[in-house]
Amino acid sequence: KAGVTQTPRYLIKTRGQQVTLSCSPISGHRSVSWYQQTPGQGLQFLFEYFSETQRNKGNFPGRFSGRQFSNSRSEMNVSTLELGDSALYLCASTPGQPISYNEQFFGPGTRLTVL
Amino acid sequence: KQEVTQIPAALSVPEGENLVLNCSFTDSAIYNLQWFRQDPGKGLTSLLLIQSSQREQTSGRLNASLDKSSGRSTLYIAASQPGDSATYLCAVHTTGHSNYQLIWGAGTKLIIKP
Repeated sequence: KAGVTQTPRYLIKTRGQQVTLSCSPISGHRSVSWYQQTPGQGLQFLFEYFSETQRNKGNFPGRFSGRQFSNSRSEMNVSTLELGDSALYLCASTPGQPISYNEQFFGPGTRLTVL
Repeated sequence: KQEVTQIPAALSVPEGENLVLNCSFTDSAIYNLQWFRQDPGKGLTSLLLIQSSQREQTSGRLNASLDKSSGRSTLYIAASQPGDSATYLCAVHTTGHSNYQLIWGAGTKLIIKP
């Protein structure tokens, strides 16, 4: 079974631009979560999608958004990039149900650098 | 508000030693707790998942325990090897409809010296 894939693996953007990251979950998994990892803040939860619906959201500004398609693939978008958005963005997939079972499997991440 | 703490922040031991990494959390209302390792610049690899009704899980040289009432989990690594060098993170899956998410510790950076 293929693991979680994320594209692209590396991105360099400039302030003010926008970016779209993609995540394909493990086949059969219906839930995708997104996390931001920085040296200063560690891992922080962005949002979680299940069956094309955002089921939960972390404390990030509205510049961060996401969506999920019918095949469970997910994208996250960051608009008006700031220097502080430079981070490793990780997505994780789980079956999604039952909610009490939530072993998360992570992709390799997308390293975003904002100049 | 759930908070997760990992002690120590860093640990360096000679190869072959058995070691224990600690994780504590403030709210015992959790679904489960998961341990991960992360190699520099890489994603996260799931090591063990302990559901709230379980006391421990084992995988090879790794054993994780969970004491919900005291808000503690330990990851025991037997006969450590240089390949075990990585950052180890624990995360708790909180309950509550509006808080379906993982809350993370800051990690323990482990170095195994040959």
